[in-house]
Amino acid sequence: RKEVEQDPGPFNVPEGATVAFNCTYSNSASQSFFWYRQDCRKEPKLLMSVYSSGNEDGRFTAQLNRASQYISLLIRDSKLSDSATYLCVVNTPSNTGKLIFGQGTTLQVKP
Amino acid sequence: DTGVSQNPRHKITKRGQNVTFRCDPISEHNRLYWYRQTLGQGPEFLTYFQNEAQLEKSRLLSDRFSAERPKGSFSTLEIQRTEQGDSAMYLCASSLGDGGNQPQHFGDGTRLSIL
Repeated sequence: RKEVEQDPGPFNVPEGATVAFNCTYSNSASQSFFWYRQDCRKEPKLLMSVYSSGNEDGRFTAQLNRASQYISLLIRDSKLSDSATYLCVVNTPSNTGKLIFGQGTTLQVKP
Repeated sequence: DTGVSQNPRHKITKRGQNVTFRCDPISEHNRLYWYRQTLGQGPEFLTYFQNEAQLEKSRLLSDRFSAERPKGSFSTLEIQRTEQGDSAMYLCASSLGDGGNQPQHFGDGTRLSIL
């Protein structure tokens, strides 16, 4: 079983749609959680950290459920520029900063 | 531009050759990480440094791979006797501080193609 699992998609949605991505992680001792965005042939960029209480940044909302070891990302009012791969990322339990990435979920927003 | 810098951007070489990549982290960042990414997959951790000390190496890092960060600033990743399976994007990231919550900033990566 992979340490971080995501549905690779692709998710094809029209502009303005709301889309949600889910991710599960296997190590219950994991401490930090993130969503990174990666454009085609570019480097990953931090989108947002994920906190236990849930957090929002504009059109983006992240949720963490420690009991179910489940992380989600909700994008409201999708824009064409949101088209990218979204990587679910977990910090190892030792909190060294070593990141474990999921496979990524590809989003394509169409006009 | 004061971001993480990697070079070369692309490297094409024949199987069996040695290659070396360089990473210049954001200045003041004491942590430096190397990851490898293949098509359709997320990045996989290879190794990391805190200042000049290499603190962890992945099992993915065979004895053909070696990384250094001699003065705690830039780092090099060398692959000896390259194989087809080494073809990938090699990403470097840096972060500030000792904890795992600090965001990692990635460079553009070096894309390695083995002929």
